[in-house]
Amino acid sequence: QKEVEQNSGPLSVPEGAIASLNCTYSDRGSQSFFWYRQYSGKSPELIMSIYSNGDKEDGRFTAQLNKASQYVSLLIRDSQPSDSATYLCAVYGADGLTFGKGTHLIIQP
Amino acid sequence: DAGVTQSPTHLIKTRGQHVTLRCSPISGHKSVSWYQQVLGQGPQFIFQYYEKEERGRGNFPDRFSARQFPNYSSELNVNALLLGDSALYLCASSWREGGSFGPGTRLLVL
Repeated sequence: QKEVEQNSGPLSVPEGAIASLNCTYSDRGSQSFFWYRQYSGKSPELIMSIYSNGDKEDGRFTAQLNKASQYVSLLIRDSQPSDSATYLCAVYGADGLTFGKGTHLIIQP
Repeated sequence: DAGVTQSPTHLIKTRGQHVTLRCSPISGHKSVSWYQQVLGQGPQFIFQYYEKEERGRGNFPDRFSARQFPNYSSELNVNALLLGDSALYLCASSWREGGSFGPGTRLLVL
C-alpha cells in the first residue's frame, strides 16, 4: 500500500515569512510529485509539479525533491494571508494519484 | 477554455439508493480520473479512464463503477449507498499526470 505522509498541522506562519511544508512517500519507484492547494469547500488546485531531484521554482513557490530520502517539500516565500489553505502532497503511480492528508497552513497577518 | 465541469454540485440521497455523477474534461483531454474526498482527508483514487478504457482502479467496492463516453465525458455510479459514501467526489482531467480538478459533487447520504 503506497503511503504519502504529511503533518496535518495547523502550521502557523507570520505574514511575509517562509512557510515550509513537508511530505514523505513510501514507494521508492515513484517518479512524479505534485503539490495542490485546497481552500475550504473548494476542489484542489495544482500549484507545483516536480519530477527530478533538486529544486524547482515558480514565483513565490519552490518545490524540492530528494528521491533518496523519499522526501518532497514546498517552500512558500513572502507568505500572504491568501496562502492560508490546506496543502496536499500527491505522488503519481499505477494507482493514479496518492494523496497525503494535507497540511493546514495559517498565515497570520 | 472551460475547465473541468461536474454535475450536480450537490446531492442528497438516502441509504440504499443509487447515484450517478457526471464529469466533462477539458477540451482535448482524453483521460478522466475520479476521486473521493472525505472531510479532513486527502482525495482517494477511485478510477482512471483513458480513451474509454479503464486504466486504473482504487480500493473501492464493486458498488462503485464508471465509464467514459466517446466524447471523453464520464459517469461515476454508486449503488446501494451507505452513510460512509458521503463525501466530495472529484473528477480530474489530464493530458499528463497531475491534472486539473473539477469543482466536485458534494454527496450527502442520509
